[in-house]
Formats: sequence, C-alpha cells, structure tokens
Amino acid sequence: KAGVTQTPRYLIKTRGQQVTLSCSPISGHRSVSWYQQTPGQGLQFLFEYFSETQRNKGNFPGRFSGRQFSNSRSEMNVSTLELGDSALYLCASSLRAGQGYTGELFFGEGSRLTVL
Amino acid sequence: QQQVKQSPQSLIVQKGGISIINCAYENTAFDYFPWYQQFPGKGPALLIAIRPDVSEKKEGRFTISFNKSAKQFSLHIMDSQPGDSATYFCAAEGSNAGKSTFGDGTTLTVKP
Repeated sequence: KAGVTQTPRYLIKTRGQQVTLSCSPISGHRSVSWYQQTPGQGLQFLFEYFSETQRNKGNFPGRFSGRQFSNSRSEMNVSTLELGDSALYLCASSLRAGQGYTGELFFGEGSRLTVL
Repeated sequence: QQQVKQSPQSLIVQKGGISIINCAYENTAFDYFPWYQQFPGKGPALLIAIRPDVSEKKEGRFTISFNKSAKQFSLHIMDSQPGDSATYFCAAEGSNAGKSTFGDGTTLTVKP
C-alpha cells in the first residue's frame, strides 16, 4: 500500500508570494491533517479535513487555508508569505472513528518551504 | 499554550545504555499517547503508543511508562543502538481524531 505522498518536496518563495502544497493520503484514509514543523516550535497543528470538511483548526492566521477533494487528496495554501513561514509542512492521513481508527497518524515526508 | 511538555531537548547516550525521554500533559481529556520517531529527511513514524487504562506498554526495546495521576508519561529505550539516533516526539490526543498535540521533540544521539 502506498504511503502518504506530498508534493513538492522542496520549494523556495519570496515574501508576499503564495504557495500551494499537495497531499495524497493512504488509500482508504479519509482524514488528512496538516502540521508545521520548525526547529523551535516542534509540530504545530494547522487543520484537519475529513470528507471534504474542515473538522479541526489550529491557531494559525487566516493566511493558512486548506481544502480536501472528494478523493481525499488535500491541498494547503499559504498566502502573502512571511519569512517566519519557512518550515517543513507535514501532512498526515488516518482513519476515523467508525473506520477502524487506531489513533495512528501516517505522515508524509513533508514539503520544505523556504521564504526569502 | 503548550499542552505537552517534553524533556530533555537533546540526549546523548552510549551504545547499550538506556535512553529516557519524559513528557507531561495538562489536558485530562487526552486519551491516546503516542511516541513518534523521525529520521532526517523523513516524516515522523509511530513508534509505540499507550492508552490511559494501562500503566506500561513494552514493544521490544521500547517501553512507555504512564502515570495518569501525575499526568506524565515517558519513553524508555533499552540497549540503545546507533540506529536509534533520531528525533523523538511525544504526543497526546483526545476524542478528536487526527488532531494531535506534540511535544517539542528530543534529539537522541547514541554514540558507538
């Protein structure tokens, strides 16, 4: 079974630009969550989508948004990029209650964003 | 507000030694406590997890000890190996599937 796939793996943007990151979950997983990983802040929860609906949201500004498609693939968008947005963005997929949810998150390898 | 506090930030252990990483949580609604292992260039991967109805869980060289009254849990790595060198994250989750609160991570280095 293929794992979680994130694209692109690396990207460089300049301040003020916007970026879209993509995540394809494990087949059969309908929950997709996004995390921001930085050296000083660990893994910070951005949001979670299930069945195309945002179910949970972390404490990030409105510049961070996401969506999920009917095939469970998800995208996150960051607009008006700031230097502090430089980070590794991780996507994780999981089952949900009623689907045999075990609690485990399956992470992709991340998209490393550098903002200059 | 950090709901899961992890220590130490970094840890150096000799091969064959015991590595111990501690975490403390605040939210009593958490009911699932996983540990994730992350190697450079990779995403975190589940190592071992525990639910609060047990005080200890062992899988091979890895053991979670859980103290519900103190709201603390720890990861013990017995007979630490250089291949265990990685960053370890504790996490906690409540009834909201897919939303985990992570500690800041511990970078473990096992010297040969």
